[in-house]
Amino acid sequence: SQKIEQNSEALNIQEGKTATLTCNYTNYSPAYLQWYRQDPGRGPVFLLLIRENEKEKRKERLKVTFDTTLKQSLFHITASQPADSATYLCALVGGGFKTIFGAGTRLFVKA
Amino acid sequence: GAGVSQTPSNKVTEKGKYVELRCDPISGHTALYWYRQSLGQGPEFLIYFQGTGAADDSGLPNDRFFAVRPEGSVSTLKIQRTERGDSAVYLCASSLTGSNTGELFFGEGSRLTVL
Repeated sequence: SQKIEQNSEALNIQEGKTATLTCNYTNYSPAYLQWYRQDPGRGPVFLLLIRENEKEKRKERLKVTFDTTLKQSLFHITASQPADSATYLCALVGGGFKTIFGAGTRLFVKA
Repeated sequence: GAGVSQTPSNKVTEKGKYVELRCDPISGHTALYWYRQSLGQGPEFLIYFQGTGAADDSGLPNDRFFAVRPEGSVSTLKIQRTERGDSAVYLCASSLTGSNTGELFFGEGSRLTVL
């Protein structure tokens, strides 16, 4: 069955450092991959999309890579800030627009 | 409203009761999704509508769960004979079919507690 794996342990980093989060998947060939941010008690908010034929995408301090051979995406936040503390969700979108999510990784950025 | 609206925001019920959760998507969004999220987990796909029809209902856990979207806008998720294991946050999302990002716009969720 389709499976998405994200770091289950929380990631703690110092302000100003780069945070790197990992998303691995199996038994799936997504048309594209998305990253969302979720704050406690709130719904997820879309951040970035990367397509299967793209290697890298950037948006401000965010960078996403996508390796369809390794079936892996890396999500980077550079110059991290305490306000970046949240849970980050990886999502895979299939050809029929069904979107499935990983469990998310909690990020804590310490001032 | 400007965003996806879900009601009620909180619902406490007793085991065995019937529950309805409502989702009002962003105007003009033809696609509507329901997810269930338990503490510490990611959103679990339940069902996806394209217009009035369920395009994919493979995530509904059993026949106690049913969802409708009769006019292609508001959707209702219905849970019969609720069980304690149904306790979770139920998230609704909508999207614009044909958008170049497939971005899902989520509501704040309906927290269901079954006692």
